[in-house]
Amino acid sequence: QLQLQESGPGLVKPSETLSLTCTVSGGSISSTSYYWGWIRQPPGKGLEWIGSIYYSGSTYYNPSLKSRVTISVDTSKNQFSLKLSSVTAADTAVYYCARQPSYRYSGSYYGSAFDIWGQGTMVTVSS
Amino acid sequence: QLVLTQSPSASASLGASVKLTCTLSSGHSSYAIAWHQQQPEKGPRYLMKLNSDGSHIKGDGIPDRFSGSSSGAERYLTISSLQSEDEADYYCQTWGTGIQVFGGGTKLTVL
Repeated sequence: QLQLQESGPGLVKPSETLSLTCTVSGGSISSTSYYWGWIRQPPGKGLEWIGSIYYSGSTYYNPSLKSRVTISVDTSKNQFSLKLSSVTAADTAVYYCARQPSYRYSGSYYGSAFDIWGQGTMVTVSS
Repeated sequence: QLVLTQSPSASASLGASVKLTCTLSSGHSSYAIAWHQQQPEKGPRYLMKLNSDGSHIKGDGIPDRFSGSSSGAERYLTISSLQSEDEADYYCQTWGTGIQVFGGGTKLTVL
């Protein structure tokens, strides 16, 4: 069955760029049926959507993070990645990747429910 | 603005039933949502997609004890025959064109 696995540094210094990769196994990231998303959860807090990407490279981001976020896809490696720049302690969180079935609206595709989640990876921002 | 509102906490006794509520913001009562469960120290697990008419599609392996229903802007998750492993945080999630939103979560305590 489809699985997602996050990977990347567990410690990032303030003002630097956080970089994570999600590897998809048991299925193709190039499917037209899905978007792929990043979500984070600060310690003791709720879930926050970061952004989502389609296999074509089409993206949309949380407006509160948009200026610092870049999500990209590498279909040859069946991976998608997250970059978050100028990090502070407030970016310390568990970061999850997840799959979203896509739907079409007014000629464009968007993601719906997060139906398969990765196990998450903890990222701490500290000097 | 698309917002989901959940009560911070709920409790019910072992073997009983509980109904959790997720409320969509004004003007968004036709939206579908998803329910996710997060057990202590674990990642979220997709439970179901719940439509405005109450129809729902559960994720693989989700027990029949979990069901969903809808009324207006309210979306409900009912858990029957509560077990100790149902003690968890429950999040609702919805989506629009170019946006994804999570509710604040409800912490369910099984007494």
